[in-house]
Amino acid sequence: EVQLVESGGVVVQPGGSLRLSCAASGFTFDDYTMHWVRQAPGKGLEWVSLISWDGGSTYYADSVKGRFTISRDNSKNSLYLQMNSLRTEDTALYYCAKEDDYGDFDYWGQGTLVTVSS
Amino acid sequence: DIQMTQSPSSLSASVGDRVTITCRASQGIRNDLGWYQQKPGKAPKRLIYAASSLQSGVPSRFSGSGSGTEFTLTISSLQPEDFATYYCLQHNSYQLTFGGGTKVEIK
Repeated sequence: EVQLVESGGVVVQPGGSLRLSCAASGFTFDDYTMHWVRQAPGKGLEWVSLISWDGGSTYYADSVKGRFTISRDNSKNSLYLQMNSLRTEDTALYYCAKEDDYGDFDYWGQGTLVTVSS
Repeated sequence: DIQMTQSPSSLSASVGDRVTITCRASQGIRNDLGWYQQKPGKAPKRLIYAASSLQSGVPSRFSGSGSGTEFTLTISSLQPEDFATYYCLQHNSYQLTFGGGTKVEIK
């Protein structure tokens, strides 16, 4: 059974930093591109970032480019999101998602909540 | 960036109604589109991939169509468990984008 379990969400002050983690199991992690998607309270879904199977390619939404860094450790079946220079508008539930052979998401985690507030 | 314009943003419907949701892409995306259902407090769940292919385990009352810039999700006969928010997602570019969502409410 595929499982994606996010962690690391906390309350942080504007300008602060945070690293989210996503532990994957139930599939061959290093075969797949992985993504982060977020959802602000009461709002829609926003794609954040993706990383290729080997970590060699990464892409970001314009809203986070230069502030967030996606990475992965295939030896640990883990995905990460380093978030710097956090803003109040980064407050959201952050999901990790597995990309399948069709190019979008067949599995999602349950999310971890990041609150940016003074 | 490819923009996805989803309509309507909300609708009220009755059990048994036929419901249609549309997503329009700002440029052609072939059939690189998925549809997702999200219920309150839950992660999204994929219903349709490649614009018109039904995800395994999803009831056949859900269908998707379209290619290029115009896409449709249809629920042929709305059931109580279908009241939720629906999103389209384009993955034609390396910056993926979601539509704004459609909340389907009980009339």
